[in-house]
Amino acid sequence: AQSVAQPEDQVNVAEGNPLTVKCTYSVSGNPYLFWYVQYPNRGLQFLLKYITGDNLVKGSYGFEAEFNKSQTSFHLKKPSALVSDSALYFCAPRDTGFQKLVFGTGTRLLVSP
Amino acid sequence: DTGVSQDPRHKITKRGQNVTFRCDPISEHNRLYWYRQTLGQGPEFLTYFQNEAQLEKSRLLSDRFSAERPKGSFSTLEIQRTEQGDSAMYLCASSADYPETQYFGPGTRLLVL
Repeated sequence: AQSVAQPEDQVNVAEGNPLTVKCTYSVSGNPYLFWYVQYPNRGLQFLLKYITGDNLVKGSYGFEAEFNKSQTSFHLKKPSALVSDSALYFCAPRDTGFQKLVFGTGTRLLVSP
Repeated sequence: DTGVSQDPRHKITKRGQNVTFRCDPISEHNRLYWYRQTLGQGPEFLTYFQNEAQLEKSRLLSDRFSAERPKGSFSTLEIQRTEQGDSAMYLCASSADYPETQYFGPGTRLLVL
């Protein structure tokens, strides 16, 4: 069965500092891994994904994520945070052979000026 | 706008009434998904269509819920005899066969009084 864990309910970072939002996952096969961002009362916006290939994936708005198979992790990173990055971030694994994404409760990112 | 659209954006209904939501996917996408998101939680998968065929269905989709995609384009999600526990944001997403990134619509927020 698929599962995901985002151990931090909230991450606080000052503008200009690097940010990391952590994610660990469990799937039975090869994972497809996605990050989405949600702004208040809005749908989810796709940020980036790992399917295969390089472990470091670059995505939208300067975000990147590193796939670590041995640690079953897919942490989201950004070198320099912006106040406008403040939102709710979801890591979502997908097991091969299935279509559903599995979401946890997400991590709220708060970037202070 | 070439994104996923959902209608209505908001729906208030009384317990026991039936409601129907519509989702229009990105035009070239043949895969369509429905998720439900309750307050403070991440989205939960409900069902998946490939063209007009409903291929995956969550146990969350009780007998009161039915989804259709009759011509492989737009989809409808109907909830019969609504209950207060059905209050949630209903999200629709679509994807191509490849890449399989799911793009989400803005959601329909349902409030059952």
